[in-house]
Amino acid sequence: EAGVTQFPSHSVIEKGQTVTLRCDPISGHDNLYWYRRVMGKEIKFLLHFVKESKQDESGMPNNRFLAERTGGTYSTLKVQPAELEDSGVYFCASSQDQGPSTGELFFGEGSRLTVL
Amino acid sequence: AQSVTQPDIHITVSEGASLELRCNYSYGATPYLFWYVQSPGQGLQLLLKYFSGDTLVQGIKGFEAEFKRSQSSFNLRKPSVHWSDAAEYFCAVGAHNNNDMRFGAGTRLTVKP
Repeated sequence: EAGVTQFPSHSVIEKGQTVTLRCDPISGHDNLYWYRRVMGKEIKFLLHFVKESKQDESGMPNNRFLAERTGGTYSTLKVQPAELEDSGVYFCASSQDQGPSTGELFFGEGSRLTVL
Repeated sequence: AQSVTQPDIHITVSEGASLELRCNYSYGATPYLFWYVQSPGQGLQLLLKYFSGDTLVQGIKGFEAEFKRSQSSFNLRKPSVHWSDAAEYFCAVGAHNNNDMRFGAGTRLTVKP
């Protein structure tokens, strides 16, 4: 069974440009999460989808970030326009259930974003 | 709100030596506690978790962790480290759902031959 896959693995863009990150969750996982790790800091929650609906987007930093999950399968996270402080590693995770006791999170390798 | 502190940013141990990675948490109730590992080129992988019951939890790859409520700690241990254990380790504390999970800043482990 394929795990969570993320693309691209690394993206280098200039300030002001746009980047779109993609996440393919494990097949059958309704729950999809985006996290971000800024250099040397903790991994922080960005948002949570249940199927195609945004369940919780309280962690999204600002309106330059847009996440979608059309059809409830893969998800995209667009940053437009990118700023220097957006640099970091963006992790995607999926789970069958929402609760930590029954819904183990399966993480992708992460997409490293570098904004110059 | 819950939070996690991993006091050690980087630890170096010799292969075959024992390992202990520290994790302290802040949470008002009994927490859900996790350790994840990220090896180079890999995603985060769950090593072990604690929800209730026995405070000594066994995980994969020979790791174990002990929940100590009095110390608000959940330290990760391994009696004999292998070179393949070189990775970054994250402690996390959760609440009722995955949205509330909070991660520490990570501890990078280097294993010397």
